[in-house]
Amino acid sequence: EAGVVQSPRYKIIEKKQPVAFWCNPISGHNTLYWYRQNLGQGPELLIRYENEEAVDDSQLPKDRFSAERLKGVDSTLKIQPAELGDSAVYLCASSFGQAREELFFGEGSRLTVL
Amino acid sequence: SQQGEEDPQALSIQEGENATMNCSYKTSINNLQWYRQNSGRGLVHLILIRSNEREKHSGRLRVTLDTSKKSSSLLITASRAADTASYFCATKETSGSRLTFGEGTQLTVNP
Repeated sequence: EAGVVQSPRYKIIEKKQPVAFWCNPISGHNTLYWYRQNLGQGPELLIRYENEEAVDDSQLPKDRFSAERLKGVDSTLKIQPAELGDSAVYLCASSFGQAREELFFGEGSRLTVL
Repeated sequence: SQQGEEDPQALSIQEGENATMNCSYKTSINNLQWYRQNSGRGLVHLILIRSNEREKHSGRLRVTLDTSKKSSSLLITASRAADTASYFCATKETSGSRLTFGEGTQLTVNP
């Protein structure tokens, strides 16, 4: 069974440029998460989806970040415009939801903003 | 915001020794989970313990939970060089469905 797939693995951009990350969760997982992980720290939740609905986006900086999950499967996280402080690893995870509570993570997308 | 705090921040041991990591949290929880992260990789789920459980085992892993002290510990017995990684505790609060991670413990097992 394929795991959570994320792309790109690495992205280097200059500040004020846009960037987008893509995530394909494990088949059948209806819950999808985007976390941000700064160097040497634990992941921090940006947004959680239950199917197509964003049920927890209180920590998503909505002035520059946006996310969508079309048809309740793949998801895209966008930053526009990027700032120096956005340099981090963006992790996507999925789970079955309430039935099975462990999260399955992708390898992450490492963003460097110059 | 981080709910869990791991202790120690870093731990270095010899192969074959046991490694103990601690996690403290602030609010009432539904469950507590431990994850491992190898350098440059995603997190991997290790074990989940519910608020009504006190101890759980999985292979060389032993997790305890003390809800009165709002703390948990992860014990890795007979450690191997391959156990070198960062270990994170994550708590699911009773008030919601958010899973909140701590800062992690960096474990180094020297061969």
